[in-house]
Amino acid sequence: DAGVTQSPTHLIKTRGQHVTLRCSPISGHKSVSWYQQVLGQGPQFIFQYYEKEERGRGNFPDRFSARQFPNYSSELNVNALLLGDSALYLCASRTGTQETQYFGPGTRLLVL
Amino acid sequence: TQLLEQSPQFLSIQEGENLTVYCNSSSVFSSLQWYRQEPGEGPVLLVTVVTGGEVKKLKRLTFQFGDARKDSSLHITAAQPGDTGLYLCAGARGNEKLTFGTGTRLTIIP
Repeated sequence: DAGVTQSPTHLIKTRGQHVTLRCSPISGHKSVSWYQQVLGQGPQFIFQYYEKEERGRGNFPDRFSARQFPNYSSELNVNALLLGDSALYLCASRTGTQETQYFGPGTRLLVL
Repeated sequence: TQLLEQSPQFLSIQEGENLTVYCNSSSVFSSLQWYRQEPGEGPVLLVTVVTGGEVKKLKRLTFQFGDARKDSSLHITAAQPGDTGLYLCAGARGNEKLTFGTGTRLTIIP
């Protein structure tokens, strides 16, 4: 079975630009979460979606937004990029009834 | 506020030695997950523990969940170079977000 997939794998942007990151969950998983991992730190929670509804939001500015589609895939959007947004962005999926989350390979974003 | 503290933060040992990594919190979690992460890749799930006092074994790795479900440990027996990586514990409360620990960077020297 395919695991969580994310695209693109790497991305380079400049300050002020906008970026869209994509995630496809494991088949049958209805919940998707997004995390930001800055180099040397553990992942920090950004958003959680379940059945296309936002179920949780971390301490991130309004420049960060996300949505979940009817097929349970998800997008994370970041506007007005800052240098500090450079990080590994991780998507995780779970069934919705179990707590275990499975992570994708991540998208490495570099903002110059 | 960091809810989960891992120790040690860095650990470098010789191949064949044993080691224990600790994950401590003042909060109760309904489950706790351990992941291993390679540089530039996503965390890979090792185990989920859900019951206080639970012990799970994965080959040379032994995971324990504290009786009060506030802490956990990971013990590796006869460490091998392939065990090198960043070990992360993460706590969950129901269907909410995962709260990650600070991480333990393990290096096994051949």
